[in-house]
Amino acid sequence: ELKVEQNPLFLSMQEGKNYTIYCNYSTTSDRLYWYRQDPGKSLESLFVLLSNGAVKQEGRLMASLDTKARLSTLHITAAVHDLSATYFCAVDGNQFYFGTGTSLTVIP
Amino acid sequence: DTEVTQTPKHLVMGMTNKKSLKCEQHMGHRAMYWYKQKAKKPPELMFVYSYEKLSINESVPSRFSPECPNSSLLNLHLHALQPEDSALYLCASSRDLWEKLFFGSGTQLSVL
Repeated sequence: ELKVEQNPLFLSMQEGKNYTIYCNYSTTSDRLYWYRQDPGKSLESLFVLLSNGAVKQEGRLMASLDTKARLSTLHITAAVHDLSATYFCAVDGNQFYFGTGTSLTVIP
Repeated sequence: DTEVTQTPKHLVMGMTNKKSLKCEQHMGHRAMYWYKQKAKKPPELMFVYSYEKLSINESVPSRFSPECPNSSLLNLHLHALQPEDSALYLCASSRDLWEKLFFGSGTQLSVL
């Protein structure tokens, strides 16, 4: 079974700071997804990364994929309070394997 | 229409009740999914339908019974649930099996 690990599990950061969330997975896959979830709400798709070296950016978030290292990163630039949420990566390995999730809190 | 609609949004039921969760999408997606999510955990796959046929059943107890009446609708029938079944139940759909998932808003279920 494919294992997907995220770190950190919990992240508290100040507004205006930069940080990176890491998503490591155990077997080869060429497709990786990032989702955001607000408390008690559903999962919102952020990025779809379909090939090695793929980079996608939306606002203060940028995601990248290195399939050789089996690693994806979600970089947060100049964090704002509205980014507070839980972020999940999910890897396509005959089904979706979700990461453990990173709970992000942005402090004013 | 790019939405997956789930009803009800909240449900409280006793352990002897029978209830159903409903999910609908009009994006022409051929795969639909039920996930269960506990607080602060990733979603856990329960069932997958592909072209209206049950494709995956992840060893879910028989008190959960899925149904796919047509390509746009997915139901989850609940009977004799246990308190540990309390969770957020998410429906999702994708254009084809294991492509990008579009999630509904979920049903927050409490079993008393």
